[in-house]
Amino acid sequence: DAGVIQSPRHEVTEMGQEVTLRCKPISGHDYLFWYRQTMMRGLELLIYFNNNVPIDDSGMPEDRFSAKMPNASFSTLKIQPSEPRDSAVYFCASSPGAQEQFFGPGTRLTVL
Amino acid sequence: AQSVAQPEDQVNVAEGNPLTVKCTYSVSGNPYLFWYVQYPNRGLQFLLKYITGDNLVKGSYGFEAEFNKSQTSFHLKKPSALVSDSALYFCAVVDTGGFKTIFGAGTRLFVKA
Repeated sequence: DAGVIQSPRHEVTEMGQEVTLRCKPISGHDYLFWYRQTMMRGLELLIYFNNNVPIDDSGMPEDRFSAKMPNASFSTLKIQPSEPRDSAVYFCASSPGAQEQFFGPGTRLTVL
Repeated sequence: AQSVAQPEDQVNVAEGNPLTVKCTYSVSGNPYLFWYVQYPNRGLQFLLKYITGDNLVKGSYGFEAEFNKSQTSFHLKKPSALVSDSALYFCAVVDTGGFKTIFGAGTRLFVKA
């Protein structure tokens, strides 16, 4: 198995632009998580899905952030419009339940 | 509410010496506890977990952790540290009601040669 796949690995954009981050979870995993990691705030859970349904989005910072999971093998995290304070590393992780999570390599986002 | 505390921002240890990275938790009910490691520019990697059973759990790379219910702790240990163990370590607890994982703030481990 290739593990959790994220794209792009690096994204540099200008303030106000739309950013879309993509994730392919491990096949057979029912849970998908989106995290954000910064030096100041550490690792933050943004949202998680179970069987493609959003279960808890209380960590999504504001309405500029949205996430979808149209099928079991694909999820997106969108920021529109982006702001410099959104600069961070965004991780996607998947899990077969209340067990260990498997993290992707992350997307390093820089908003200028 | 579930929570995890890692009281040390950084732990320094000499190569060959034993290491301990501390973690305490607060949960309602029985905890599912995890340790993860993060190397530079990488995602988190699972090290070990406690679900039930023996209080001493063995994991990857020679790491182990001891679940102590009375002290609500789940400290990570290794008998002999390697320079390559230098990384960021996260303790985590799963909210068994909803499968949401709560991560600690992380502890940076430095192993000096």
